Amino acid sequence: GAGVSQSPSNKVTEKGKDVELRCDPISGHTALYWYRQSLGQGLEFLIYFQGNSAPDKSGLPSDRFSAERTGGSVSTLTIQRTQQEDSAVYLCASLLTGGTTVKEQFFGPGTRLTVL
Amino acid sequence: DAKTTQPPSMDCAEGRAANLPCNHSTISGNEYVYWYRQIHSQGPQYIIHGLKNNETNEMASLIITEDRKSSTLILPHATLRDTAVYYCIVRVRQGGSEKLVFGKGTKLTVNP
Repeated sequence: GAGVSQSPSNKVTEKGKDVELRCDPISGHTALYWYRQSLGQGLEFLIYFQGNSAPDKSGLPSDRFSAERTGGSVSTLTIQRTQQEDSAVYLCASLLTGGTTVKEQFFGPGTRLTVL
Repeated sequence: DAKTTQPPSMDCAEGRAANLPCNHSTISGNEYVYWYRQIHSQGPQYIIHGLKNNETNEMASLIITEDRKSSTLILPHATLRDTAVYYCIVRVRQGGSEKLVFGKGTKLTVNP
C-alpha cells in the first residue's frame, strides 16, 4: 500500500474487555512504532520494533498493554481488561532504517478507542 | 529525554509568513530536531528536520540557533490549509532504540 494503514478506525468497547488494534506498515519499513494520543494532548510513545531486535517497551503504561510484530511486518497492539483511561487515539508509524540518511516516520490515521 | 517547549497557540494571516518557535535547551549534540504537524483527525505529517544547519524544503524552512537550544519553523506563505497543531520534536537515541518525544505542540490558526 501507499501508506501506513490501521484497523479498525474506530473501536468502542466496554470496560474490562480486551481489544486488539492492527497496524500495517509501509512495505519494506523495518522499524515500527506505537503512540497514544489522549484528547487535547501530544503523542505518547508506547513501543518500538526494529528488525529482529528486542522491542523497546519502555513507554507501555502497564502490563495490560502488549504488542507483537509478526514476520517483521504487521503489528498488533493488545490492551487487556480495558479501562476508561485507555480511551485515546492509538497511532502507528513506520520508518525505513539503514544507510546514513536520516529518515522520517510515516504515521497511519490512527484507531480511536473509546472505553465505556 | 530532551524536552521541547512551544507556545500553545498562534495566529497568522493568510499569505503571511508563520514563524513557530521552539525551545530545546537540554538537547544533546547528536539529537535531531524534527517538526511534524497534525491536521484535525489525521496522523502526524512530517515537515522537516535538522541537526545544526538551517534547512529548507518545499514545505518550510528550519532555523536552528548556533547553540542549538532553540529553533524556528517558518512557513513562508501560510494558507488556510496550514491550520494544524505543529510539533517540535527531538529524536532520542538510546542504545539500539530511537523514538520521537512529542510535546503538546502549537496550534496554528491561519486566518483569512
